[in-house]
Amino acid sequence: GENVEQHPSTLSVQEGDSAVIKCTYSDSASNYFPWYKQELGKRPQLIIDIRSNVGEKKDQRIAVTLNKTAKHFSLHITETQPEDSAVYFCAASMNNQGGKLIFGQGTELSVKP
Amino acid sequence: DVKVTQSSRYLVKRTGEKVFLECVQDMDHENMFWYRQDPGLGLRLIYFSYDVKMKEKGDIPEGYSVSREKKERFSLILESASTNQTSMYLCASSFKVRGSGRGNTEAFFGQGTRLTVV
Repeated sequence: GENVEQHPSTLSVQEGDSAVIKCTYSDSASNYFPWYKQELGKRPQLIIDIRSNVGEKKDQRIAVTLNKTAKHFSLHITETQPEDSAVYFCAASMNNQGGKLIFGQGTELSVKP
Repeated sequence: DVKVTQSSRYLVKRTGEKVFLECVQDMDHENMFWYRQDPGLGLRLIYFSYDVKMKEKGDIPEGYSVSREKKERFSLILESASTNQTSMYLCASSFKVRGSGRGNTEAFFGQGTRLTVV
């Protein structure tokens, strides 16, 4: 089955710097790649997603890139702010699998003021 | 606004007990999921269901079972709780994309149940 690897497990940046989190997936049939943010004590919430027919997607300070050939995708956060501090999860999914998402191990991002 | 509600926020059970975790969603979603969350391991899929009375094993189904008798409700059952099942359990739901088979869409999560087995 699908396997998703996420790096790094922890990331500390200064406010205003950029942060990059990387994920690789194993099954070339995967075609949907969401990113979730989980603040302390709260539920994971979708922040951005990308489908396999697109190479890049941007929403204000966050962007996601996808390289289907290499089977990896990345989350980019620019101009980080303290409220970006959270655990971020990448996931992969494919059609005809009941919508199931396979998640990476998570990255704990800390943005220092 | 999508609401996925889990019956308990915190639960303490004894080893060997049968434990029921309940999840209800109010958005008429076809797909429902149970994940467990452990530090360093991310969210691991236990079971999922894409329709009433349908269930499929995820990556770590051992020691668990599920029930989906109604579309809005998905229950996770620990047949005989063990200490290694102490964890955060997250329920999620998503809708099936019309016209594309069992498609993939955003999953909405419940608030989680922190289960401690002693």
